[in-house]
Amino acid sequence: QVQLQESGPGLVKPSETLSLTCTVSGVSIKSSYWSWIRQPPGKTLEWIGHIFHDGSTTYNPSLKSRVSMSVDTSKNQFSLKLTSLTAADTSVYYCVRRVVQGNNWFDPWGQGTLVTVSS
Amino acid sequence: DVQMTQSPSSLSASVGDRVTITCRASQSVAHYLNWYQQKLGKAPKLLIYAASNLQSGVPARFGGSGSGTDFTLTIASLQPEDFGTYYCQQSYRTPRTFGQGTTVEIK
Repeated sequence: QVQLQESGPGLVKPSETLSLTCTVSGVSIKSSYWSWIRQPPGKTLEWIGHIFHDGSTTYNPSLKSRVSMSVDTSKNQFSLKLTSLTAADTSVYYCVRRVVQGNNWFDPWGQGTLVTVSS
Repeated sequence: DVQMTQSPSSLSASVGDRVTITCRASQSVAHYLNWYQQKLGKAPKLLIYAASNLQSGVPARFGGSGSGTDFTLTIASLQPEDFGTYYCQQSYRTPRTFGQGTTVEIK
């Protein structure tokens, strides 16, 4: 059974950098693509980007200048960094597996971690 | 970006009702359309992938159809546990985008 678990700070100051890690269990991180998706309180979901185990990435153009992702295959983890934070970045951040079988979809999802940007 | 528009934004229905949620894409996404269910305070859960394929473990009362720009999620007979918010998502173009959600309430 594939499981994902986010970890990182719940509170970050404006202008600082958010760092989140997702630990994958039940499957090798080399088996798939891995994504970050966020959801501001009361709003819809926003795809941030995805990474493959070889380190290749695709980012949402709206966030591309502030986002970076990395993968650590030895720990079966992948990570997100988001710089220059503002209150608009306050969201629940989910790490998700991107399944690619001709078509592609997101499954499963981590439980999510709320990140609040505030001084 | 491909804009995904869902209707209605919310609905209230009785147990046993047939419920239909529609999703329209601003440009063709072929059959690259997925549906998720989210309950309050929980992560979304995949229901339907590639427009019409039922994810393993999802009850057969859920069904999806459509292609191109117009898609439908149908719940054949609404059950009490089906409350929540439903999102469509296109996986055809980058960035991946989601609809604004349809909240289903049980009367």
